[in-house]
Amino acid sequence: GAVVSQHPSRVICKSGTSVKIECRSLDFQATTMFWYRQFPKQSLMLMATSNEGSKATYEQGVEKDKFLINHASLTLSTLTVTSAHPEDSSFYICSARGTSGNTIYFGEGSWLTVV
Amino acid sequence: SQQGEEDPQALSIQEGENATMNCSYKTSINNLQWYRQNSGRGLVHLILIRSNEREKHSGRLRVTLDTSKKSSSLLITASRAADTASYFCATVGNEKLTFGTGTRLTIIP
Repeated sequence: GAVVSQHPSRVICKSGTSVKIECRSLDFQATTMFWYRQFPKQSLMLMATSNEGSKATYEQGVEKDKFLINHASLTLSTLTVTSAHPEDSSFYICSARGTSGNTIYFGEGSWLTVV
Repeated sequence: SQQGEEDPQALSIQEGENATMNCSYKTSINNLQWYRQNSGRGLVHLILIRSNEREKHSGRLRVTLDTSKKSSSLLITASRAADTASYFCATVGNEKLTFGTGTRLTIIP
């Protein structure tokens, strides 16, 4: 079946630095990718929707200058957390939707810890 | 913003029993999906039910949808210890997938 890969699965960075998380669709072309944030024991909160070749659409309350999203190809989207702070520590999950069908496939998520 | 709410928030049952989780949502939908998440992992798609469907089965899973009440339920029959996970409903509207609050299911061996 379709596979979405996220990398890295875990990352620790220092406060003030930037960290990039990659989301790849391995066996299908993803015209749309979604980025979610999940705090422990909570639900997934949609951060932004990215379409290949265009600017991401951010949800209300999500800082687009802090969470940079790039969807440069049909198989890769990246989320860069800039000037990270400890409160940005969270579980970030991407998902991808192909050119047909309603099913959205999820990556395994990336744990970000900012120290 | 959160689209749906699920209840119960947490559910513990004995292995072999059936588990029922409910989801309510607020706006019109194209379809509703159920996902499973093991602790600290990504989501696994379980089942999709379209807005014109009322019930759907997949193995030990049974999903119902009542669009008049804006609610759905997920029934897991003959539960197993491996079913321990969080379960989320998610609705698709305006091309976005929005998740409910989730139910943490614990199956006691």
